[in-house]
Amino acid sequence: GAVVSQHPSRVICKSGTSVKIECRSLDFQATTMFWYRQFPKQSLMLMATSNEGSKATYEQGVEKDKFLINHASLTLSTLTVTSAHPEDSSFYICSARDLEGNTIYFGEGSWLTVV
Amino acid sequence: TQLLEQSPQFLSIQEGENLTVYCNSSSVFSSLQWYRQEPGEGPVLLVTVVTGGEVKKLKRLTFQFGDARKDSSLHITAAQPGDTGLYLCAGEDTNAGKSTFGDGTTLTVKP
Repeated sequence: GAVVSQHPSRVICKSGTSVKIECRSLDFQATTMFWYRQFPKQSLMLMATSNEGSKATYEQGVEKDKFLINHASLTLSTLTVTSAHPEDSSFYICSARDLEGNTIYFGEGSWLTVV
Repeated sequence: TQLLEQSPQFLSIQEGENLTVYCNSSSVFSSLQWYRQEPGEGPVLLVTVVTGGEVKKLKRLTFQFGDARKDSSLHITAAQPGDTGLYLCAGEDTNAGKSTFGDGTTLTVKP
């Protein structure tokens, strides 16, 4: 089946630095990718919708200058957490919709810890 | 903003018992998905329901989509410890091009 891969799976960074998380669709092309944030034992909160070749659409309350999203190709979207703070520590998950638009596939998630 | 209310939020049962998780909204969705997620991993799709009134069975899991496509339920028969996990429903709004997730149901099945 279709696979969405996230890298890194775990990252620790110092407060004030920036960290990039990649989301790749390995065997299909995705015009749309989604980025979510999830706190322990809670549901997924949509942060932004990323469309290939255009600017991401951010959900209300999500700072676009802090969470930079780039979707430069049909198989790659990146989320950069800029000037990270401990409260940004969370589980970040991406998903990708195939070109036919019928199915959404989720990545394995990336744990970010800001110290 | 479309909201999905999932209930119960937490459920702890003994192996062999049956359970039902509900997903309700005041909004109509073009389709609805159910996912199961284990700690530290991404959600895994269980089923997609599209047609109002649709019922789908996946071994011991039965999924139902409401006639008005506003609500759904997941019924598990004879639960097993391997069913333990976070169950999420997600309603898809084709016009908006995105999905809304329910709050999740944390299921624990004790042996």
